[in-house]
Amino acid sequence: EDQVTQSPEALRLQEGESSSLNCSYTVSGLRGLFWYRQDPGKGPEFLFTLYSAGEEKEKERLKATLTKKESFLHITAPKPEDSATYLCAVQAMTGGGNKLTFGTGTQLKVEL
Amino acid sequence: DAGITQSPRYKITETGRQVTLMCHQTWSHSYMFWYRQDLGHGLRLIYYSAAADITDKGEVPDGYVVSRSKTENFPLTLESATRSQTSVYFCASSSSSYNEQFFGPGTRLTVL
Repeated sequence: EDQVTQSPEALRLQEGESSSLNCSYTVSGLRGLFWYRQDPGKGPEFLFTLYSAGEEKEKERLKATLTKKESFLHITAPKPEDSATYLCAVQAMTGGGNKLTFGTGTQLKVEL
Repeated sequence: DAGITQSPRYKITETGRQVTLMCHQTWSHSYMFWYRQDLGHGLRLIYYSAAADITDKGEVPDGYVVSRSKTENFPLTLESATRSQTSVYFCASSSSSYNEQFFGPGTRLTVL
């Protein structure tokens, strides 16, 4: 059974204080690992897809990295508008239909 | 360009009643999905569809029925609502079996 564990559950940062969110996974052959951002009362918004160990992707203050067992979402010099819940999900090679297994998320709050 | 929409956004119903949640996408994506999101569980897949008239069960399908007669619509029906089905429901779509999924704004359902 595919599993995704995200840590920490909640994180409070000061504006400009860089940090990393962790996503540990077990999957029967990884097809892709996805990061989403979710604001309160809204649907998840797609950020990145990573496919193989060593891959990195960047978008503004966010950088996602992938190893064989975990992924990190690095947030550099965060701003209050980066406050959201960040979700990680994996897709396995086996099984059809593009099914994703999600973690429970890291709730990030960035304060002035 | 509306993307993916859900209706209603909020719904209160009583135990035993039938309720249908609607999902509509304008991208002509082949794949569509229904998730529920509950505290402590993250997003869990209820049903998915690879194309019109092709549907399959996800992780938590019991008590739900889906249909997909048109590519753009994917309604979710609770045939006899129970309190345990109180949740936030998200619809998503994807252009292929390995691409990212795009989520709708969600429907908050309360079953009294």
